[in-house]
Amino acid sequence: DTEVTQTPKHLVMGMTNKKSLKCEQHMGHRAMYWYKQKAKKPPELMFVYSYEKLSINESVPSRFSPECPNSSLLNLHLHALQPEDSALYLCASSRGGGNTEAFFGQGTRLTVV
Amino acid sequence: GIQVEQSPPDLILQEGANSTLRCNFSDSVNNLQWFHQNPWGQLINLFYIPSGTKQNGRLSATTVATERYSLLYISSSQTTDSGVYFCAVGFAMRFGAGTRLTVKP
Repeated sequence: DTEVTQTPKHLVMGMTNKKSLKCEQHMGHRAMYWYKQKAKKPPELMFVYSYEKLSINESVPSRFSPECPNSSLLNLHLHALQPEDSALYLCASSRGGGNTEAFFGQGTRLTVV
Repeated sequence: GIQVEQSPPDLILQEGANSTLRCNFSDSVNNLQWFHQNPWGQLINLFYIPSGTKQNGRLSATTVATERYSLLYISSSQTTDSGVYFCAVGFAMRFGAGTRLTVKP
């Protein structure tokens, strides 16, 4: 099983809303990632968790708040977003240790109105 | 940080043609993957290939880590091969800008 599950698949939120994106994997992977992808651009790294600890934060604005409650689950909490934050948000996982294959979820398409 | 360059940026082929996509990277890496992104945004694993050569059906890939490049070969292309092909390198998986492939019937 190489499945990474993201929910919801689509999300529309207002600029004053608080919402969360969820990512789950049951492959025993210990590294999990959040990416943001705008139309016709490559995925852009936001955060990396390794063994449930935040190891990379690509200077992401604080209105995006990641959380890794356990090794199978990764959340991205959203608050006070701007319309320019509308994008496809992708989650990935890998075994960890710096030398392993990564698998992506189907993404959450976020629209901020 | 590591720089990743892909070429060509766009490629248009007739069905049945062969193609080679290239990924250059600026520093030594122990992770390199090729992905195909379908029209719905799903990133599909093609190859995990930090070095050496792998083949899967009509697709194959070669990474020469010492010279910091990787090649993806697509033979006998089909319309379903259309989409964007990305390489990603390093533990943090930095993506290149991609190659947008269009295969015409």
